[in-house]
Amino acid sequence: GEDVEQSLFLSVREGDSSVINCTYTDSSSTYLYWYKQEPGAGLQLLTYIFSNMDMKQDQRLTVLLNKKDKHLSLRIADTQTGDSAIYFCAENGGATNKLIFGTGTLLAVQP
Amino acid sequence: ETGVTQTPRHLVMGMTNKKSLKCEQHLGHNAMYWYKQSAKKPLELMFVYSLEERVENNSVPSRFSPECPNSSHLFLHLHTLQPEDSALYLCASSEGLLTLHSGNTIYFGEGSWLTVV
Repeated sequence: GEDVEQSLFLSVREGDSSVINCTYTDSSSTYLYWYKQEPGAGLQLLTYIFSNMDMKQDQRLTVLLNKKDKHLSLRIADTQTGDSAIYFCAENGGATNKLIFGTGTLLAVQP
Repeated sequence: ETGVTQTPRHLVMGMTNKKSLKCEQHLGHNAMYWYKQSAKKPLELMFVYSLEERVENNSVPSRFSPECPNSSHLFLHLHTLQPEDSALYLCASSEGLLTLHSGNTIYFGEGSWLTVV
């Protein structure tokens, strides 16, 4: 079956690193994505990783993929108040035409 | 600005009303999607269109009726909705359909907040 799980909430202090975790069940996923949703807005693509990679870095963002454990994480270095949002991971799974999304992790950044 | 524009941003409608949500993408993409986002639930894929042809309909009630007149525009026609249909409706597009071999990414609009009273 297709299932993507995330913890619901993460609180960090400004300047600290944030790590948002995600687990998925479909081992046939070839692409995994991170999206950000700010209050009242749609989903914004942050980054994605191909399944034959185990790490991808893009400025303050680092994505780690453990394909054996079906675990994906997003690390945000030097977290800012503007990073406060809901973060969704998604995978393209075995079914075509759709991304399977997790329920999202609300990141709260304390000044 | 993602290149996907949705109107209206907010809509309040009665259960007997008929209204439509509109989506336009300026990215030259061939695939368009409607997703529903409800509180504390994962995003639900409702419909997928590729080159104006519906390729997926995920058991969505007939009170939701999609229309794709061309590859840049997508509508969601609403009639006799229920209060539990209140949600954020997100339109999205991608260059082509998602497959295991394609890293096509989906770009979302800002969403239309729908409240059914």
